[in-house]
Amino acid sequence: GAVVSQHPSRVICKSGTSVKIECRSLDFQATTMFWYRQFPKKSLMLMATSNEGSKATYEQGVEKDKFLINHASLTLSTLTVTSAHPEDSSFYICSARVRPGQETQYFGPGTRLLVL
Amino acid sequence: AQSVTQLDSQVPVFEEAPVELRCNYSSSVSVYLFWYVQYPNQGLQLLLKYLSGSTLVESINGFDAEFNKSQTSFHLRKPSVHISDTAEYFCAVSGNNAGNMLTFGGGTRLMVKP
Repeated sequence: GAVVSQHPSRVICKSGTSVKIECRSLDFQATTMFWYRQFPKKSLMLMATSNEGSKATYEQGVEKDKFLINHASLTLSTLTVTSAHPEDSSFYICSARVRPGQETQYFGPGTRLLVL
Repeated sequence: AQSVTQLDSQVPVFEEAPVELRCNYSSSVSVYLFWYVQYPNQGLQLLLKYLSGSTLVESINGFDAEFNKSQTSFHLRKPSVHISDTAEYFCAVSGNNAGNMLTFGGGTRLMVKP
């Protein structure tokens, strides 16, 4: 149980285009999903927290107009990188938590974005 | 606020040797502690966690970790490693409150050599 999927697993796009990444909880309903960014050989940096049906909470330094997050249902959250640039190239990982206060987050397999 | 320090960025070790990956944390509140493993080009998998109770927690693949409150540590250990244990290991902490945001350490790359 507690499986989280991400789609696509990797994407290559041209600079200036937008890319949407999906995060799905396959066998549970997730009231909260998190989006992380991981640079090569670096740790995970929390970008934002999304709660189903409400606006995402972004961490300091993360541009909310650049990284659009939507959590429209209890099993799906999307991250859209708008007007992508090469510096947005990274490994994006989502995680999900069943309910507030639950201690464990379940992570997706990640999406590798390369912006040319 | 919490912070996590993994002192070793890389740990090379020979197969069947014991290993300890160090993790220290700081927090002003009581915490939950986690170890995650990341294989190349994959997401994170929960290895083990400490929530409360016994300070020694074990995973199904031979790792264990002991919560030491006085030393604010949660070191990960395995008595005999395998080639397949080669991966990046992340220690993480969250406060035991409704917010429960995870803060990650910088990661330790375990490299098991034959």
